[in-house]
Amino acid sequence: DAKTTQPPSMDCAEGRAANLPCNHSTISGNEYVYWYRQIHSQGPQYIIHGLKNNETNEMASLIITEDRKSSTLILPHATLRDTAVYYCIVRVEFWGSGGSNYKLTFGKGTLLTVNP
Amino acid sequence: GAVVSQHPSRVICKSGTSVKIECRSLDFQATTMFWYRQFPKKSLMLMATSNEGSKATYEQGVEKDKFLINHASLTLSTLTVTSAHPEDSSFYICSAKDTDNQPQHFGDGTRLSIL
Repeated sequence: DAKTTQPPSMDCAEGRAANLPCNHSTISGNEYVYWYRQIHSQGPQYIIHGLKNNETNEMASLIITEDRKSSTLILPHATLRDTAVYYCIVRVEFWGSGGSNYKLTFGKGTLLTVNP
Repeated sequence: GAVVSQHPSRVICKSGTSVKIECRSLDFQATTMFWYRQFPKKSLMLMATSNEGSKATYEQGVEKDKFLINHASLTLSTLTVTSAHPEDSSFYICSAKDTDNQPQHFGDGTRLSIL
């Protein structure tokens, strides 16, 4: 399984961009990178995912390096409600009873604290 | 879109009882549903993967007779913790997705406390 490495914690000022790094140096060519976040006592929330190209949606941008060994999640204008644990995950394909599928292995993530 | 509802949100029961947790996809057909467990200050751990109409695939170390999973329809999966004991107390979270390349969407979790 491709593992990811993230800093345990980061701080960001409200209104500023939050840049969360992730290393996944053992990633394979067809493995996607997913980002989720978890606010205390809630289920994880999907943010974004990508394979090779940079991606952007209404929540965030995902920048993937050309060698795909690392990526950065960018929250362009962080708010207090963005305080959460952010998980960078490389999805793992497997063959199960229902055919081809994938699973997500959560690491420890990065606790992002947005300060007023 | 992509809403997953989990019920109940919290349950407290006596040791030895069985507890059923429901996970529903409200606006899409969930080909695959996943069950996770999370202990305090720890990350999520995948327990099992279930496909509609098939037997669940359990992760190593997860007792299939202890944690019964049923995925009888494309919008509902249930997890039954049988003969629950205090060490089964945890935060149980389900997720669901439809086609292969779609992201998993998570429910808000069930906090289970066994006295």
